[in-house]
Amino acid sequence: QKEVEQDPGPLSVPEGAIVSLNCTYSNSAFQYFMWYRQYSRKGPELLMYTYSSGNKEDGRFTAQVDKSSKYISLFIRDSQPSDSATYLCAMKGSNFGNEKLTFGTGTRLTIIP
Amino acid sequence: GAGVSQSPSNKVTEKGKDVELRCDPISGHTALYWYRQSLGQGLEFLIYFQGNSAPDKSGLPSDRFSAERTGGSVSTLTIQRTQQEDSAVYLCASSLSYGVTTGELFFGEGSRLTVL
Repeated sequence: QKEVEQDPGPLSVPEGAIVSLNCTYSNSAFQYFMWYRQYSRKGPELLMYTYSSGNKEDGRFTAQVDKSSKYISLFIRDSQPSDSATYLCAMKGSNFGNEKLTFGTGTRLTIIP
Repeated sequence: GAGVSQSPSNKVTEKGKDVELRCDPISGHTALYWYRQSLGQGLEFLIYFQGNSAPDKSGLPSDRFSAERTGGSVSTLTIQRTQQEDSAVYLCASSLSYGVTTGELFFGEGSRLTVL
């Protein structure tokens, strides 16, 4: 079983819809949770970062972390065609020196105009 | 350049040949990471450098894989005697400092390796 599970999709939604992307994880040592966005043939870029449980909002994007359920989510409001990309969740522990991120497989999202 | 630069962007090689992949991180970034991205597998950690040292090389899949970093800057990932299962996109990332807790890795566009 992988440490981080993510539905690979693909997921297609109409423009303007609310998108929900999710990951589950098994390692209770994970403390830092991120969402990266990757356009085709490009490297991933950081979209959202949260520490421990709670919500974080940035414009149309909201990240949620529920450590009790080992479940994280990314919501995209008023989705745009430019949001079409692969979204990767990533996480790491808090041990100093444990620098590597553990990624999910990514969800491919298409926003239909 | 302003971002992480990787070369070559594409490499096609024959099984059994050696390949070298190069990463030029963002100037001033002391931490450098190599990941591998295969179809349906997500990003797989390979190795992490802090300066020229590699505190964590636990992700290297076999002894055919090695990496080095010189001058605290450029890194080279070498794959010897390539196999078809080595076909993937090899991504390099850098970050400002050790103990980065914001998770912000800056990725290059990757080197796409195809082993025939």
